[in-house]
Amino acid sequence: KQEVTQIPAALSVPEGENLVLNCSFTDSAIYNLQWFRQDPGKGLTSLLLIQSSQREQTSGRLNASLDKSSGRSTLYIAASQPGDSATYLCAVYTGANSKLTFGKGITLSVRP
Amino acid sequence: EAGVTQFPSHSVIEKGQTVTLRCDPISGHDNLYWYRRVMGKEIKFLLHFVKESKQDESGMPNNRFLAERTGGTYSTLKVQPAELEDSGVYFCASSQVAGGGTEAFFGQGTRLTVV
Repeated sequence: KQEVTQIPAALSVPEGENLVLNCSFTDSAIYNLQWFRQDPGKGLTSLLLIQSSQREQTSGRLNASLDKSSGRSTLYIAASQPGDSATYLCAVYTGANSKLTFGKGITLSVRP
Repeated sequence: EAGVTQFPSHSVIEKGQTVTLRCDPISGHDNLYWYRRVMGKEIKFLLHFVKESKQDESGMPNNRFLAERTGGTYSTLKVQPAELEDSGVYFCASSQVAGGGTEAFFGQGTRLTVV
């Protein structure tokens, strides 16, 4: 059974800091991995989708990497801003027709 | 292009009542998913439609939950009768291709409170 872990549960950093959010999964035979952002009371916004054949994806100040063999993904946020404050969720697909298995998320607070 | 839309955004009902949640996926997305997050837990899968057919309903908690997707467009999730443990946020998502072949897009969720 696939399990996704995100540690720590919460993180507070000063504005401008570069930071890394970690995600680990128990079954390395994943199909794809997707990072989401959730603002309080809002839905999930897709940030990056990494296909199984890829090792990383970039979008603006965000870079996500995937190491299937070690069961890890990281989301790198460059030059963090207060507007980056949100909960970041990692989720994996374990098959072509499979559903997403989510971690509990990391709640990020960027202090001005 | 409109995103995934869910109705209502909030619902408060008494134990034993019936509630129906609705999801309108992105136009042209054959794959529609329902997920749920109960307090303190991670988001968990409920079921997956491909057009009007149920591809995977392994996450449905029990037979008090009934999902439909008539005509392969919008979907409804009915809870009858509702129990206290059904409280949580119900998310709907859609994608063009299943399994992460393309991104899954989520709605804003329906917050269900059973009292």
